Amino acid sequence: QKEVEQDPGPLSVPEGAIVSLNCTYSNSAFQYFMWYRQYSRKGPELLMYTYSSGNKEDGRFTAQVDKSSKYISLFIRDSQPSDSATYLCAMSAIWITGGGNKLTFGTGTQLKVEL
Amino acid sequence: GAGVSQSPRYKVAKRGQDVALRCDPISGHVSLFWYQQALGQGPEFLTYFQNEAQLDKSGLPSDRFFAERPEGSVSTLKIQRTQQEDSAVYLCASSPRGGEGTQYFGPGTRLTVL
Repeated sequence: QKEVEQDPGPLSVPEGAIVSLNCTYSNSAFQYFMWYRQYSRKGPELLMYTYSSGNKEDGRFTAQVDKSSKYISLFIRDSQPSDSATYLCAMSAIWITGGGNKLTFGTGTQLKVEL
Repeated sequence: GAGVSQSPRYKVAKRGQDVALRCDPISGHVSLFWYQQALGQGPEFLTYFQNEAQLDKSGLPSDRFFAERPEGSVSTLKIQRTQQEDSAVYLCASSPRGGEGTQYFGPGTRLTVL
């Protein structure tokens, strides 16, 4: 069993919908949680970063972490066709400033927002 | 400013050939990471450098994989005697000193072994 589980989709939603993306994990040492967006044939781009449990909001994006359930979520409000991409959750057990924060990724969820 | 660049973007190798993949991190970034991303999967950690020191190589899948960063900037990932299972996208990421540790990824090199 993988340390991080993520439904690969694909997930198709109409423009303007609220999108919910989720990951579960098994390693209780994970403390830092990230969501990356990856367009086709591009490298991952950091969207959200959260430490420990709680919520974080940035524009149309909200990240939630529930460490007691080992469950993290990313919500996208007012989804746009430009949001169509693969969304990867990633986690790290430590966070050394400027240091070796080895990331463990989920498989990614492919999202398509249709006009 | 320039981001992380990788070359070549695409590489086709015959099984058994050696390949070398290059990463140019963002100028001044101390930390450099290599990840392997198989088709339909998330990236998997291979190795980590802090300046020229390779501090973690626990993710390298076999002794055919070798990485170096001799002057603490450009890094090369070398794969000897390539096998079909090495076909993947190889991603490089760098992270600044004093930053929050965010990793900035390059576009990757797509390696296909025939």
